[in-house]
Amino acid sequence: AIQMTQSPSSLSASVGDRITITCRASQAIRNGLGWFQQKPGKAPKLLIYSASSLQSGVPSRFSGSGSGTDFTLTISSLQPEDFATYYCLQDYNYPWTFGQGTRVEIK
Amino acid sequence: QVQLVQPGADVEKPGASVKVSCKASGYTFNSYYMHWVRQAPGQGLEWMGLIDPSGGNTRYAQKLQDRVTMTRDTSTTTVYMELSSLRSEDTAIYYCARRYCTSIDCYFDYWGQGTLVTVSS
Repeated sequence: AIQMTQSPSSLSASVGDRITITCRASQAIRNGLGWFQQKPGKAPKLLIYSASSLQSGVPSRFSGSGSGTDFTLTISSLQPEDFATYYCLQDYNYPWTFGQGTRVEIK
Repeated sequence: QVQLVQPGADVEKPGASVKVSCKASGYTFNSYYMHWVRQAPGQGLEWMGLIDPSGGNTRYAQKLQDRVTMTRDTSTTTVYMELSSLRSEDTAIYYCARRYCTSIDCYFDYWGQGTLVTVSS
């Protein structure tokens, strides 16, 4: 199975900060990567699919990039509602696998 | 509007089986695969497998292959995930998620609210 290594596992940031979360795949997955946001007690919410496509209704401060093995989720200006846990998911090869998650906390 | 409705919770004993439902509405049931994802308390997300509601074909995570069965009932537009030989490590929230596909891309667009399955004697 493809391993997804997500970093950092947690970060503290302030409103307005630009933050970056990375995921590295153990083998090339082309652009088969999505990013999800999860808040406590809620189902995951899709932010980005196919590595860089913004899901409808998601604010443009979220962006994704990368291809092959290295991927990035960027939030250009952190807003109060963005404090949550973020996961990457490779959907290129079965079994699909998630990264371990990144918890974004208020500094 | 698209809805995926799951029961809120279930409690089962170790060694028993659980069957979690996901009732779909608001779209053509047969047109989109349904996936299952689970999350143990305080832990990350784990992909479990998928079912094609059209033909009933399935694909499972190897780790769960021997214990999981996904089925569907087209008459009630409901998919089911059954997990057998339950152990304490199976305590988790179980989510169904619709896989929406265009001619170019596929992605998860709707999720159920999750079913908390507690395995306890």
